[in-house]
Amino acid sequence: EVQLVESGGGLVQPGRSLRLSCAASGFTFDDYAMHWVRQAPGKGLEWVSGISWNSGYIGYADSLKGRFTISRDNAKNSLYLQMNSLRAEDTALYYCAKDRGNSGVDFDYWGQGALVTVSS
Amino acid sequence: SYELTQPPSVSVSPGQTASISCSGDKLGYKFASWYQQKAGQAPVLVISEDDRRPSGIPERFSGSNSGNTATLTISGTQAMDEADYYCQAWDSSIVVFGGGTKLTVL
Repeated sequence: EVQLVESGGGLVQPGRSLRLSCAASGFTFDDYAMHWVRQAPGKGLEWVSGISWNSGYIGYADSLKGRFTISRDNAKNSLYLQMNSLRAEDTALYYCAKDRGNSGVDFDYWGQGALVTVSS
Repeated sequence: SYELTQPPSVSVSPGQTASISCSGDKLGYKFASWYQQKAGQAPVLVISEDDRRPSGIPERFSGSNSGNTATLTISGTQAMDEADYYCQAWDSSIVVFGGGTKLTVL
């Protein structure tokens, strides 16, 4: 059974940093691309970032302006999102999602999300 | 930047057919996928690559994509299909989601 479990969310002050992790199990992690997708309270889905199976491709939403960094550790079956210079508008539920392919198709499994709240 | 436009809401009577559109420039030249999200739950992929139904998704869900519009069709809509639906595509190595459509079954 595929499982994606996010961790690292919480309340953080504006301008501070936070690192999200996603622990994957139930599939061969290094065969697939992975993504982060967020959803602000009461709003729609917004793709944040994606990374191919071997980290050869890394993409980010234009709106992030270089504040976030995605990475993966295939030996640990883990995906990460380093978030710097956080703003109130980054408040959202952050989902880890598995791609159907190794470089980017669509998302066939999702975690339950990690809530990030940016507030003073 | 590339945009996908969906109607904010669609209503359908039980047993009828619901159609949800997703519009974008030359969308027919890209693959469109669709997700269902019920309240308080993570999204679920219901249509992949325009018209492919993942394992476990009921046959009443179908998709098409041509020109500038992709369409998700739910035949014989059931109360359990009430949810938010999002289309998704790739453009210039970036993933784009539509704004979402709230499907009401009444």
